[in-house]
Amino acid sequence: DSGVTQTPKHLITATGQRVTLRCSPRSGDLSVYWYQQSLDQGLQFLIQYYNGEERAKGNILERFSAQQFPDLHSELNLSSLELGDSALYFCASSEGGNNEKLFFGSGTQLSVL
Amino acid sequence: GENVEQHPSTLSVQEGDSAVIKCTYSDSASNYFPWYKQELGKRPQLIIDIRSNVGEKKDQRIAVTLNKTAKHFSLHITETQPEDSAVYFCAASMGGQNFVFGPGTRLSVLP
Repeated sequence: DSGVTQTPKHLITATGQRVTLRCSPRSGDLSVYWYQQSLDQGLQFLIQYYNGEERAKGNILERFSAQQFPDLHSELNLSSLELGDSALYFCASSEGGNNEKLFFGSGTQLSVL
Repeated sequence: GENVEQHPSTLSVQEGDSAVIKCTYSDSASNYFPWYKQELGKRPQLIIDIRSNVGEKKDQRIAVTLNKTAKHFSLHITETQPEDSAVYFCAASMGGQNFVFGPGTRLSVLP
C-alpha cells in the first residue's frame, strides 16, 4: 500500500457526462500529480499541484480540470466525456521540495460507453 | 518541455540473463531520473532512482547509469527472474516539476 488513496476504483458513465475523480495523498506529501494511462499505453502527465497551487501542466484537455484543496486532497474533473477518455487515471504524490519520489495510487478505471 | 524516449518497447530474455533498457531525455535541466515497474493491473512502483550528480547506482540485481553529457540513462537488471516480467517506465524531472515518463518497455522473462 503506497498510502495514496484514489476513489472510486471503477467508474462507468456515458458520453457527454461529467465525472470527478478524487485523490488523497500520503500523509505529509504536498505535491499531487495526475496521469492518464490508456490501454497498453504509457503514463501521460496531465497536471501537478503543490500545496494548493498549480505547478505544472501537461497535455491536459480543456474539458478536464483539477484542483487541490486546503487539506491537500485533489480532484480531477472530466466533462463532456468522449469514448476516447476511457482510461486508467492515476494520482501520485510526493513530499515536494527536494524529495521527488512519486508514490502512485491504485488508479480509477474510467469507462465511457 | 521535456521529452523522454525509451528503447526497446518490448524485450524478451531467458531467465538468468541480463536485461538493459535505455532512455534519453531532452531537457538538460532535468536532474532526477527514476525507474518504475508496473505489473499487470497494478500501480507503478518505484524500483530505483538516480540524481544528476551521480553516475551510477546499484540495488541488489538492479542498477542505473546516467550520462548527463549524452542525456541518456539506462536500467540494468541482472540474473533476471520470472517475477521481473512487467512494464518498466523511465522518467525525468526537474525539481519535481514536469515529471515526464517514457513510453515503457514490456519485459518478458522466459523460464
